[in-house]
Amino acid sequence: DMKVTQMPRYLIKRMGENVLLECGQDMSHETMYWYRQDPGLGLQLIYISYDVDSNSEGDIPKGYRVSRKKREHFSLILDSAKTNQTSVYFCASSLSAEQYFGPGTRLTVL
Amino acid sequence: QQQVRQSPQSLTVWEGETAILNCSYEDSTFNYFPWYQQFPGEGPALLISIRSVSDKKEDGRFTIFFNKREKKLSLHITDSQPGDSATYFCAAFLNYNVLYFGSGTKLTVEP
Repeated sequence: DMKVTQMPRYLIKRMGENVLLECGQDMSHETMYWYRQDPGLGLQLIYISYDVDSNSEGDIPKGYRVSRKKREHFSLILDSAKTNQTSVYFCASSLSAEQYFGPGTRLTVL
Repeated sequence: QQQVRQSPQSLTVWEGETAILNCSYEDSTFNYFPWYQQFPGEGPALLISIRSVSDKKEDGRFTIFFNKREKKLSLHITDSQPGDSATYFCAAFLNYNVLYFGSGTKLTVEP
């Protein structure tokens, strides 16, 4: 059963705190992604990872960094979170064009 | 510049009607167009897709019509059901495993 998991599902942080969002996949996909979704804006690509330690910036990388030390795990890190980073974050993985999405993490930064 | 545009932003139809969701794109070299369906509280899931060599793709009640010359495509949902109520995203693919997503159409099917 192909699956992308995300932890945690819900998170509340204060401005200036560090945030770690975790993503896992069991399909051995080389490529993984982090998106954020805001009302009316669709899915915005933050980072893409083509394999372990092979990461590229997406459209909105400012304020975020990523880590991929194992093919099945991809982390999104917010150093000193800001209120405008309140959003729903989705992780995805793919073999080529077809992407499989996780259930999302709803992050609130107060 | 937004690569993929969707309209309308929201759409309400009655149960049994055909819902038509529109999508247009900028780059004529895009060659694969998936549509994703997203229910509240869930991640998007691939619904149906079409390659640029085809002009139509059917899967049950869901049909994509593709016009390469005009760089437009549409998703038709026939005999719409309340369970089809969701947000639908059109996307376009070229290479490097990157998908360009539209901003979505929120479909409501009233019983």
